[in-house]
Amino acid sequence: GENVEQHPSTLSVQEGDSAVIKCTYSDSASNYFPWYKQELGKRPQLIIDIRSNVGEKKDQRIAVTLNKTAKHFSLHITETQPEDSAVYFCAASRIPTFGRGTSLIVHP
Amino acid sequence: DAGVIQSPRHEVTEMGQEVTLRCKPISGHNSLFWYRQTMMRGLELLIYFNNNVPIDDSGMPEDRFSAKMPNASFSTLKIQPSEPRDSAVYFCASSKGYNEQFFGPGTRLTVL
Repeated sequence: GENVEQHPSTLSVQEGDSAVIKCTYSDSASNYFPWYKQELGKRPQLIIDIRSNVGEKKDQRIAVTLNKTAKHFSLHITETQPEDSAVYFCAASRIPTFGRGTSLIVHP
Repeated sequence: DAGVIQSPRHEVTEMGQEVTLRCKPISGHNSLFWYRQTMMRGLELLIYFNNNVPIDDSGMPEDRFSAKMPNASFSTLKIQPSEPRDSAVYFCASSKGYNEQFFGPGTRLTVL
């Protein structure tokens, strides 16, 4: 089955800085890579996703890059704001296998 | 649409009791997923259904756990007998095919 590794487990940045979260996956057949954001006490919600036929996707301050050869993908958040503070999960494969999550803390 | 509905939102029970969690997926979605979330193990996929048929239950911890989906608008996750280590937040999610999953609000289960 699929195995997803996510790093770092905790990321602390100052407001306005950029944040990068990285994930690797094992199954070369995986073709869908979503990112979910989970605020404290809330449910995970999709913030961006990418499919294997695309190398990069951007939505305002959020971008995701995918390197299929190396089997890794990353989430980039620019100009971070305190409301970006949450746990972020990456996932891979058609039946999502989630990473362990990254707790992002944005200090005002 | 009301989104994915789960009940109960909170459940406190004693060890050995049967627990039943319920989920109503978004109308028109044909895939349904049950997850368990704990600090120690993160977000674990327990089982998923496609068109009401269980496709992969390899994440179900043991025989004490069972899940059913009798129709397209209802699913249950049952734990019998429950144990303290089953304490967690259980999420149900649905999707249309293999696309964005929409999560329910979760059921916080505490087994004393």
